[in-house]
Amino acid sequence: KAGVTQTPRYLIKTRGQQVTLSCSPISGHRSVSWYQQTPGQGLQFLFEYFSETQRNKGNFPGRFSGRQFSNSRSEMNVSTLELGDSALYLCASSLNGPNTEAFFGQGTRLTVV
Amino acid sequence: KNQVEQSPQSLIILEGKNCTLQCNYTVSPFSNLRWYKQDTGRGPVSLTIMTFSENTKSNGRYTATLDADTKQSSLHITASQLSDSASYICVVTPTGGGNKLTFGTGTQLKVEL
Repeated sequence: KAGVTQTPRYLIKTRGQQVTLSCSPISGHRSVSWYQQTPGQGLQFLFEYFSETQRNKGNFPGRFSGRQFSNSRSEMNVSTLELGDSALYLCASSLNGPNTEAFFGQGTRLTVV
Repeated sequence: KNQVEQSPQSLIILEGKNCTLQCNYTVSPFSNLRWYKQDTGRGPVSLTIMTFSENTKSNGRYTATLDADTKQSSLHITASQLSDSASYICVVTPTGGGNKLTFGTGTQLKVEL
């Protein structure tokens, strides 16, 4: 079956702009989580959505937001971009529950200039 | 201080040799501990997932162990191959955290001829 699909793969934006990233989970998976990966901080949890509701949230400013649609696809939005937002953004999908396997997408590489 | 610490930070070994990567965590209580392999520029791929009550889990040449008393885990790679060159990340899921994964900083492994 198809894996987790993230679009776009690469993105270059200017400071102050906003950006929307998309994640299509594996068919049947209802949980989608988003992570930010930078060389200095490693992988950090942004938020998790389950059945269109945000279930968990990490320690990121309100500029980072997300949503999930009825087909489980999820979008992440970052407003007023800063240079420090340059990172690889990964999403992961899973069936449900803390012990189910999380499958990651290839990520979106965001560069803010 | 990171709640999941990994050592060594980087490692170079010859093809065919074995190696062991370490993970110390302070996350408690936790639902499970996972090991992921991440190739450069790609999303992490799950190797093993162990609940707090499991001591060991194997996946081919990869064997993970867990000691919940000492809060330590290790990943043993047998008969290494060039394709094992990647970052190996230890991940802990806090109890009640849904899919809010807590990541270690990773061990960068390079396998050489």
